[in-house]
Amino acid sequence: EVLLVESGGGLVQPGGSLRLSCAASGFTLSNYWMHWVRQVPGKGLVWVSRIDRDGSTRNYADSVKGRFTISRDNAKNTLFLQLSSLTAEDTALYYCGRAYAGYGAVDYWGQGALVTVSS
Amino acid sequence: EIVLTQSPGTLSLSPGERATLSCRASQSVSSKYLTWYQQKPGQAPRLLIYATSSRATGIPDRFSGSGSGTDFTLTISRLESEDFAVYYCQQFRDSPPVYTFGQGTKLEIK
Repeated sequence: EVLLVESGGGLVQPGGSLRLSCAASGFTLSNYWMHWVRQVPGKGLVWVSRIDRDGSTRNYADSVKGRFTISRDNAKNTLFLQLSSLTAEDTALYYCGRAYAGYGAVDYWGQGALVTVSS
Repeated sequence: EIVLTQSPGTLSLSPGERATLSCRASQSVSSKYLTWYQQKPGQAPRLLIYATSSRATGIPDRFSGSGSGTDFTLTISRLESEDFAVYYCQQFRDSPPVYTFGQGTKLEIK
């Protein structure tokens, strides 16, 4: 069974940093591109970032470029998202997701990690 | 930047009825890269339809997708109680890579 479990969310002050983790199981992480997608509670989905199988290609939404960094450790079956220079607009539930190869979709999602940016 | 506009914002129907959800793009979208998701309260999204009309694994055949260019449709032929949820369309365009979601359609019980 494919499972994605996010951790590392919490309350952080504006300007602060946080690192989210996504533990993958039930599949070989190194075979898949991976994504981060966020959702303000009660609002819609917004794509944040993606990373290719070996971490050599990383892409970001304009809203987070230069502030967030996606990375992965395939040996530890874990995806990461480093968040920095956080503002209140970054408050959201952050989902990691497995890319559905070749179709620009996400076929499996974690349950999300809540990041709250507030003083 | 491609904008996806979903309509209606809320759709009120009864079990057994047919639901038709629309997703309109501001520019042409490749049919290969048009996706639909279902999200229930407190849950992560679930992949329903990829490549405009292909059902994901385990998705019942009452769900179908269609469309091309800028107009896409998700149809649920006969609503069951578990189908009441929020539905999102999403598109992908490369160079540079951008993934865009619609704002969602809430399907509620009438």
